[in-house]
Amino acid sequence: EAQVTQNPRYLITVTGKKLTVTCSQNMNHEYMSWYRQDPGLGLRQIYYSMNVEVTDKGDVPEGYKVSRKEKRNFPLILESPSPNQTSLYFCASSLKAGGIHEQFFGPGTRLTVL
Amino acid sequence: AQSVSQHNHHVILSEAASLELGCNYSYGGTVNLFWYVQYPGQHLQLLLKYFSGDPLVKGIKGFEAEFIKSKFSFNLRKPSVQWSDTAEYFCAVNLAPGAGSYQLTFGKGTKLSVIP
Repeated sequence: EAQVTQNPRYLITVTGKKLTVTCSQNMNHEYMSWYRQDPGLGLRQIYYSMNVEVTDKGDVPEGYKVSRKEKRNFPLILESPSPNQTSLYFCASSLKAGGIHEQFFGPGTRLTVL
Repeated sequence: AQSVSQHNHHVILSEAASLELGCNYSYGGTVNLFWYVQYPGQHLQLLLKYFSGDPLVKGIKGFEAEFIKSKFSFNLRKPSVQWSDTAEYFCAVNLAPGAGSYQLTFGKGTKLSVIP
């Protein structure tokens, strides 16, 4: 089944404790992206990747890191999480960047930073 | 950079009522437009998209949207809503290839509550 998977689905952590949220897609998509969803703010892009080893900042990159060593994986790293990073995170992928290409979304990761 | 405005934060309708959700974008060039739906507790799914041709686009589950270029609008419609349409709806826009940005920009979303 074609899908985007994320792990973990739920995470409660404490300020400053490094964490990684994994994202994997099995559709051979070139483009991958991370969003955070907050009430009243919709989805805001954190980072995106056009292809392997090519990443760039979105609208809200502060406090996050990403890497794209393989085409299928695009982990999101929070080196020192803070309470304002409490949010619902979605990974998405599309065949290519932009244009008419639909983005497919993962199931989401609900992160709470205490 | 492009931006997207969704006019209604929360819409409450009775079953069988007609639905129209507003979406306006700001960008003077060629755009691609999308409506995504997020059912409670689920991830976003594509409802429909427009990139060229007939400005009236039909999507899944009886939804349609009309692109009006002169008004920079892409409103979502459904003639008769059902309780199962209760969800949050997001309008999104990206630029045509060559415009210098591949970012998909989302509106803030409209929550639809359908009362049985």
